[in-house]
Amino acid sequence: GAGVSQSPSNKVTEKGKDVELRCDPISGHTALYWYRQSLGQGLEFLIYFQGNSAPDKSGLPSDRFSAERTGGSVSTLTIQRTQQEDSAVYLCASSLAGLAGRWFFGPGTRLTVL
Amino acid sequence: RKEVEQDPGPFNVPEGATVAFNCTYSNSASQSFFWYRQDCRKEPKLLMSVYSSGNEDGRFTAQLNRASQYISLLIRDSKLSDSATYLCVVNIGAGSYQLTFGKGTKLSVIP
Repeated sequence: GAGVSQSPSNKVTEKGKDVELRCDPISGHTALYWYRQSLGQGLEFLIYFQGNSAPDKSGLPSDRFSAERTGGSVSTLTIQRTQQEDSAVYLCASSLAGLAGRWFFGPGTRLTVL
Repeated sequence: RKEVEQDPGPFNVPEGATVAFNCTYSNSASQSFFWYRQDCRKEPKLLMSVYSSGNEDGRFTAQLNRASQYISLLIRDSKLSDSATYLCVVNIGAGSYQLTFGKGTKLSVIP
């Protein structure tokens, strides 16, 4: 079946612009995660959605970052007034609830802020 | 101390060699442990879970030492296709779905 998909695959933007990144999880997966990976760095947790529960936003680095998940499926990560330090690969993952660690990642969106 | 620490490598080994990666974690309450593999410019993919009794999947063996808060991955008879970055991943805290990733150990298998 289809895996996790993300769009766009690459995004180049100018400093100060807003960007939206999209994630389509595997059908039926109730848990959805956003991470980012900067060059040479490990994965950094951003936000976690589980079903209809309030999301865990503890990893969002600033109030410029926000995310939503509509209908328990597609998720959008929005970065407002982008900064150069926002440049990274943004990875989305999904999993079945109760299977911590058995995640499926999307191919990521490579964001470059000029 | 970082939550999950790995030797970044790179490990350059010839085909057929046996190579071992180590990982330490700081939170003694950690419950679940995994090894993920990440190819260059690709997303991470689950390689195997790590069980308390140790587990094996073909050429790959994972070990967990809770007393020392230490995880290992052993790859036997290395193949060129094993070249990748191996990420140590820990579930921090009971009931938490949040995973903490190490920065990874890079492996290059040389012909």
